[in-house]
Amino acid sequence: EPEVTQTPSHQVTQMGQEVILRCVPISNHLYFYWYRQILGQKVEFLVSFYNNEISEKSEIFDDQFSVERPDGSNFTLKIRSTKLEDSAMYFCASRVGGRGERGETQYFGPGTRLLVL
Amino acid sequence: QQQVKQSPQSLIVQKGGIPIINCAYENTAFDYFPWYQQFPGKGPALLIAIRPDVSEKKEGRFTISFNKSAKQFSLHIMDSQPGDSATYFCAPQGGKLIFGQGTELSVKP
Repeated sequence: EPEVTQTPSHQVTQMGQEVILRCVPISNHLYFYWYRQILGQKVEFLVSFYNNEISEKSEIFDDQFSVERPDGSNFTLKIRSTKLEDSAMYFCASRVGGRGERGETQYFGPGTRLLVL
Repeated sequence: QQQVKQSPQSLIVQKGGIPIINCAYENTAFDYFPWYQQFPGKGPALLIAIRPDVSEKKEGRFTISFNKSAKQFSLHIMDSQPGDSATYFCAPQGGKLIFGQGTELSVKP
């Protein structure tokens, strides 16, 4: 069964450094998302991406964040200058689109645990 | 408008029990109502979902009850098993998912 993959699984970085989190969504999916989950808290929406542009972003997704789909398979989240409070698990998700349960369901990757020191 | 309230925060049941988790939302623009299951160290995985034109949906041991007028939906797990021990999130959807706080379920053998 196709699945969303994410790399790396863990990343440790120094405050102020740039990090790039990578995701490979399911191949025929058209909608892409990033969410994050701070330890012990709920999952929070960051950004959605469709047709090569951001369709919606949350207040968390400020100028330090950017997303890109550099080729037909990868979807990346870049944090330009990391802060301590960016430490979290970051999840990528994708869905195929269209009406109906199959089109609406978002499939999540296993996450990247980011630790900012 | 975006707030989603989930209860209880944690739940302990004996094997065979029927845990019930509730979710209340405010945004009437939500058009898809999933429950996600998350095991430690893993990403959320869709468990079961319902559309707002249906009041109940059953898949195996899992049932969603949906009350559109009350803006609430709930998850029932029949004949719960220790393997069901996980964190459960309601995450109503209107494009993006808005997650509830999560319910940590523990099913004792």
